[in-house]
Amino acid sequence: DGGITQSPKYLFRKEGQNVTLSCEQNLNHDAMYWYRQDPGQGLRLIYYSQIVNDFQKGDIAEGYSVSREKKESFPLTVTSAQKNPTAFYLCASSVLTGGTPGYTFGSGTRLTVV
Amino acid sequence: GENVEQHPSTLSVQEGDSAVIKCTYSDSASNYFPWYKQELGKRPQLIIDIRSNVGEKKDQRIAVTLNKTAKHFSLHITETQPEDSAVYFCAAAPTGTASKLTFGTGTRLQVTL
Repeated sequence: DGGITQSPKYLFRKEGQNVTLSCEQNLNHDAMYWYRQDPGQGLRLIYYSQIVNDFQKGDIAEGYSVSREKKESFPLTVTSAQKNPTAFYLCASSVLTGGTPGYTFGSGTRLTVV
Repeated sequence: GENVEQHPSTLSVQEGDSAVIKCTYSDSASNYFPWYKQELGKRPQLIIDIRSNVGEKKDQRIAVTLNKTAKHFSLHITETQPEDSAVYFCAAAPTGTASKLTFGTGTRLQVTL
């Protein structure tokens, strides 16, 4: 069953702590993305990657880091430098050329600072 | 970069009525425009998309229109049903695929009985 899996579903972070959100896909998609969703602000791009070992900053990359060591995996680390990390985080993947366009989204991780 | 504006932010219609959501974009290089539906607590799902070489596309009760000259595109839902209640996002991308979509801020559609 092809798809994109995010874990954990809920995550609680203490002040000053780094946390890592997992995103794995078995769709053989080249591109992967991380979006942050806040009420009334839609989806804002944090980072994206179009190829292994390469990634680009999105509109709100400050306080976040990513890696793309494997095609299937694109983990997001929320660092202590991110001052307001409470949000719903969505990972997505897509083809780059040919195939069916459009993102496939994961089910999301809800991060809360405690 | 691309900027996508979406209106209205909330929309309430009676069951059976039509609903229209409008988006504008800024980058004339954008040529791929998908629409996503997100039900409460769930992931966004693609419901329809259109490319810039097409002016209109329909899929049963859903249609999307594109005016490339004016840089706006719209989602039309006819004969609305309670299960259409969700948040709808428009998006735009400057390539022929879904690479690096820029999303609108979303429209919360409520279909009342």
